[in-house]
Amino acid sequence: NAGVTQTPKFRILKIGQSMTLQCTQDMNHNYMYWYRQDPGMGLKLIYYSVGAGITDKGEVPNGYNVSRSTTEDFPLRLELAAPSQTSVYFCASSYSAETGGYTFGSGTRLTVV
Amino acid sequence: GQNIDQPTEMTATEGAIVQINCTYQTSGFNGLFWYQQHAGEAPTFLSYNVLDGLEEKGRFSSFLSRSKGYSYLLLKELQMKDSASYLCAVKDSNYQLIWGAGTKLIIKP
Repeated sequence: NAGVTQTPKFRILKIGQSMTLQCTQDMNHNYMYWYRQDPGMGLKLIYYSVGAGITDKGEVPNGYNVSRSTTEDFPLRLELAAPSQTSVYFCASSYSAETGGYTFGSGTRLTVV
Repeated sequence: GQNIDQPTEMTATEGAIVQINCTYQTSGFNGLFWYQQHAGEAPTFLSYNVLDGLEEKGRFSSFLSRSKGYSYLLLKELQMKDSASYLCAVKDSNYQLIWGAGTKLIIKP
């Protein structure tokens, strides 16, 4: 049981480049989330999904896009990377919104130069 | 606005006890979580409180007072491997998790 798998673990982007952060879970969880974590700050929600075909914006969605074509996959797309997007990105999933905590992926450390 | 407050950093001695406090102001309350995060790693679930009182799980205990908007995480018999950041998070009325910035716990021999 792999849990939540994120790729890549590290990436350096140049300003203006684009990339997709991959996230896959094998726990049949309906809910999936993308967070960014900056030093000294709490986790900030970028986008979330309550099931295949349904996505919604979180607290800091600007500069990002997501899709949820299957229950398992929830990729995060960065278009026109900016230095402000330098951060650690975590994907997480949960069985339901009402109960239980989240299972996190191992994270992607992104630097935009 | 919604706010979670916890100390930025704490230092304790191996074998001792430490209490990490968390106060919150959120729009609604549907549970409080504590996560542990080692440097460079993902957060991992420690505890969940939805009713007032103390939940004990081995060396770790978590307390909640909903009327005071207050929780604490108690770590006993501290070990060096407990050096990590401890994140407090509250589920609001929309069942979204609101996260504190985390408390970095340093354990000294």
